[in-house]
Amino acid sequence: GESVGLHLPTLSVQEGDNSIINCAYSNSASDYFIWYKQESGKGPQFIIDIRSNMDKRQGQRVTVLLNKTVKHLSLQIAATQPGDSAVYFCAEFAGSARQLTFGSGTQLTVLP
Amino acid sequence: NAGVTQTPKFQVLKTGQSMTLQCAQDMNHNSMYWYRQDPGMGLRLIYYSASEGTTDKGEVPNGYNVSRLNKREFSLRLESAAPSQTSVYFCASSEEETEETQYFGPGTRLLVL
Repeated sequence: GESVGLHLPTLSVQEGDNSIINCAYSNSASDYFIWYKQESGKGPQFIIDIRSNMDKRQGQRVTVLLNKTVKHLSLQIAATQPGDSAVYFCAEFAGSARQLTFGSGTQLTVLP
Repeated sequence: NAGVTQTPKFQVLKTGQSMTLQCAQDMNHNSMYWYRQDPGMGLRLIYYSASEGTTDKGEVPNGYNVSRLNKREFSLRLESAAPSQTSVYFCASSEEETEETQYFGPGTRLLVL
């Protein structure tokens, strides 16, 4: 079946450095690709999304890049802070199915 | 504005027992969802409700039932709990026009012995 997966399960970065979290997807019919952040003991929190007809979208300190040729999605976090430590999930949304499909997540740890 | 609230926060059940997980949202959203999250994995959709009075199966509906009581509330029922249903359950809601942007509750941790 279709799936959303992640290249690396863990990522450690120094405080102040930029972080890049990657994700591979397989469903070309998805309308949106979304990044969620989940802190320990909490529910996922929406960070940013990108429509399938775009290749880049920027938010506050975050940028999402979409490469449809290789079915790859990335989340870039600028000047990573301790509060960014969390598990990051990519997800895809197909409007026809009206369902979010989540990947397995990447644990980001920010080192002092 | 509390967002999405879930009760209980934690529950221990014995195999075969039943229980209902409660979810409510105060954002006037039409769409609501129930997910389960197992260790080291992403969330999987159990059921969703696009509007009051309608429900649809997600990826893993077996062993669960849902009720969309009104626009605010969406409950998940386990009729006969099994150890395989040990998980963290999240409720979420979204506006009908932007279903890719979902707002999640804090979760219910369920342990089935």
